Amino acid sequence: SYELTQPPSVSVSPGQIVSITCSGDKLGDKHACWYQQKPGQSPVLVIYQSNRRPSGIPERFSGSNSGNTATLTISETQAMDEADYYCQTWDTSTVVFGGGTKLTVL
Amino acid sequence: EVQLVESGGGLVQPGGSLRLSCAASGFTFSSYWMHWVRQAPGKGLVWVSRIKGDGSSTSYADSVKGRFTISRDNAKNTLYLQMNSLRGEDTAVYYCARGCRDDWCNWLDSWGQGTLVTVSS
Repeated sequence: SYELTQPPSVSVSPGQIVSITCSGDKLGDKHACWYQQKPGQSPVLVIYQSNRRPSGIPERFSGSNSGNTATLTISETQAMDEADYYCQTWDTSTVVFGGGTKLTVL
Repeated sequence: EVQLVESGGGLVQPGGSLRLSCAASGFTFSSYWMHWVRQAPGKGLVWVSRIKGDGSSTSYADSVKGRFTISRDNAKNTLYLQMNSLRGEDTAVYYCARGCRDDWCNWLDSWGQGTLVTVSS
């Protein structure tokens, strides 16, 4: 079965740029999306189709996908961005999530 | 505004059954794929199942195949998950989520608040 690998945790200072990676075999040939989940809340889609933002998602969120790695980048990170982030793709008829990355804004 | 409201969670003994429901509003329910995703306490998101808008196609994670059945009633704008032969490892918050209109995509753009299922004796 297809697997996605994320780093368990990443930290960043307010106002800085941070990237969260998601690795999978030939992931660049697939579509990747990203979700943000804050404690006690449901996930929110922040990036779909590898690099597109849903309406209402701030421009500081961006995505890329090439080779074996999809990347979520947050520029000018704010305290409110502290959350768990999950990548997701699909393979034939099944949907796959990465294990999640806890983003800490120090 | 898209709204998804899950219900039906609770405490069930190992080997028991439970049926979850997800009431949808604010969009043309029958046009969209719908998904169930679960999250064990303190753990990550795990996809469970999906169903096409007209109900003609379904798929399942290996961990639930043969035990869980996804279905929908488009006249009632409601998604279901029938869970049988429940195990301790099925304990989780279960979310319903809206997928795409098209067959080729599988992002989930709206999520419910979740319903907790606890499997324990």
